[in-house]
Amino acid sequence: EVQLVEFGGGLVQPGGSLRVSCVVSGFSISSYWMSWVRQAPGKGLEWVASIEQNGGEKYYVDSVKGRFTISRDNAKSSLYLQMDSLRAEDTAVYYCARQTNFDYWGQGTLVIVSS
Amino acid sequence: DIQMTQSPSSLSASVGDRVTITCRASQGIRNDLGWYQQKPGKAPKRLIYAASSLQSGVPSRFSGSRSGTEFTLTISSLQPEDFATYYCLQHNNFPRTFGQGTKLEIK
Repeated sequence: EVQLVEFGGGLVQPGGSLRVSCVVSGFSISSYWMSWVRQAPGKGLEWVASIEQNGGEKYYVDSVKGRFTISRDNAKSSLYLQMDSLRAEDTAVYYCARQTNFDYWGQGTLVIVSS
Repeated sequence: DIQMTQSPSSLSASVGDRVTITCRASQGIRNDLGWYQQKPGKAPKRLIYAASSLQSGVPSRFSGSRSGTEFTLTISSLQPEDFATYYCLQHNNFPRTFGQGTKLEIK
């Protein structure tokens, strides 16, 4: 069974940093692109970033470029999102998703940026 | 960037009704479109991939179609568990973009 489990969310002050993680099981992460998608409270879905299998190719939505870094550790079946210079508008549930067509999703982890 | 214009934004319907939700892409995306269902407090779940292919385990009352840059999700006979929010996603280009969502409510 394919499973994705995110963790690491929490409350952080504006300008602060946070790293969220996603651990997968039921498939070999090294065979797939992986992505992060977020959803602000009461809002729609927004793609954030994607990374190719070996980590060499990455894409980001404009609003997070230069602040967020997507990475992966295939040996640990893990995906990461390092978030720096956080803003109030980054408050959202962050989902990891398999591939860039998001066939499977985790349950999400909530990040709140507030003073 | 490719814009996905989804309509309607909300829809009231009754159990047994046939409903249609539409997404229009701002440029050609071939069949690189998926449909997702999201219930409150839950992660989205993919229903349709490649515009018209049914995800394994999804009931056959859900179907997808394409005409040019217009994509349609149809639910042939609404069931109580179908009341949720639905999104389309284009994965033809980066940035990936979603439609604004359609909230399907019980009439």
